[in-house]
Amino acid sequence: QKEVEQDPGPLSVPEGAIVSLNCTYSNSAFQYFMWYRQYSRKGPELLMYTYSSGNKEDGRFTAQVDKSSKYISLFIRDSQPSDSATYLCAMSGTGGSYIPTFGRGTSLIVHP
Amino acid sequence: NAGVMQNPRHLVRRRGQEARLRCSPMKGHSHVYWYRQLPEEGLKFMVYLQKENIIDESGMPKERFSAEFPKEGPSILRIQQVVRGDSAAYFCASSPEGGRNTEAFFGQGTRLTVV
Repeated sequence: QKEVEQDPGPLSVPEGAIVSLNCTYSNSAFQYFMWYRQYSRKGPELLMYTYSSGNKEDGRFTAQVDKSSKYISLFIRDSQPSDSATYLCAMSGTGGSYIPTFGRGTSLIVHP
Repeated sequence: NAGVMQNPRHLVRRRGQEARLRCSPMKGHSHVYWYRQLPEEGLKFMVYLQKENIIDESGMPKERFSAEFPKEGPSILRIQQVVRGDSAAYFCASSPEGGRNTEAFFGQGTRLTVV
């Protein structure tokens, strides 16, 4: 079992839809949970991160962490074609060098 | 993330040649991380460096791969005697002194093709 599981998709939705992207993990030591967006042929860009459990909102994006279920989510409201990209979750612990472990990414396509 | 500069953007090498990938961190950043990305595997950590020190190289293959981050100049990821399986996108990220990886910014990557 991989430490971080993420469905690669692709996930195709119409413009304006609410998108839900998810990751599960097995390492209970993870405390920092991050979401990156990666456009084709570009580097990953940090969208948001949360510490421990709870929700965090930033504009159209909401990140949720449920540590009891080892499950994290990213919601995108009012999705736009410009949101079409690969979304990677990443997680790290609090000790050592904080090196995060990434999921393989979910490809999202928002069509007009 | 335009602040982290990687070059070259594309690199083609024949089997057995050496590949050198360069990463200049954002201004004021002293921590550098290298990752490899394959289409079916996602981003895999390779090595974490600070100026003149390797902090964590647990993701580096034991042979043919090395990394450095000298006091002056960019960080270098070096792959000797490349094989086709080394073909991938290599990304570096940087973070400031005292910052954790949640504050890291990625470069645009170097796409290595071994022919």
